[in-house]
Amino acid sequence: KAGVTQTPRYLIKTRGQQVTLSCSPISGHRSVSWYQQTPGQGLQFLFEYFSETQRNKGNFPGRFSGRQFSNSRSEMNVSTLELGDSALYLCASSFGPSEVLSYEQYFGPGTRLTVT
Amino acid sequence: GNSVTQMEGPVTLSEEAFLTINCTYTATGYPSLFWYVQYPGEGLQLLLKATKADDKGSNKGFEATYRKETTSFHLEKGSVQVSDSAVYFCALSVLYSGGGADGLTFGKGTHLIIQP
Repeated sequence: KAGVTQTPRYLIKTRGQQVTLSCSPISGHRSVSWYQQTPGQGLQFLFEYFSETQRNKGNFPGRFSGRQFSNSRSEMNVSTLELGDSALYLCASSFGPSEVLSYEQYFGPGTRLTVT
Repeated sequence: GNSVTQMEGPVTLSEEAFLTINCTYTATGYPSLFWYVQYPGEGLQLLLKATKADDKGSNKGFEATYRKETTSFHLEKGSVQVSDSAVYFCALSVLYSGGGADGLTFGKGTHLIIQP
């Protein structure tokens, strides 16, 4: 079974631009979560989608948004990019929503975003 | 709020040495606890988990026991190998009595280096 895939793997953008990252979960998984990883702040939860609905949201500004499609694929968008948005963005999928703890999260390799 | 504290390292050990990586947490609600491992250039992999007090999670020779009285979930391995070199993250997820759950809250990560 194929793992979680994220595209693109690397991205360079200029301050003020916007960016869209894509995540394809493991086949059959309906929950997708997004995390930001930086050297200073570590791993921080962005949001979770289950069955096309946002269920949880971390403490990030409204410039960070996401959506999930009927096939469970998810995208996250960052508008008006800032230098501090440079990070590794990780996507994780699970069969069910986060409150069902027996459903383990499987992480993708991440998208490395550099903002110049 | 929820938080996880772990030693950041780097922690350098010789092959076959005993490993302990300390992890303590603060949480509201009913936390479940996890250890994830990240190898260079890859996403996170779930190493082990425990969903209630006194549970012991184990996998690949690693163990951790959920200690509610000391709010700890220390990772141990009796004899480490060079292939165990990676970054290890302690994490928690909180279920709320009214339903729903937060995304994973991670520690800063511990960089483990095993020398032959």
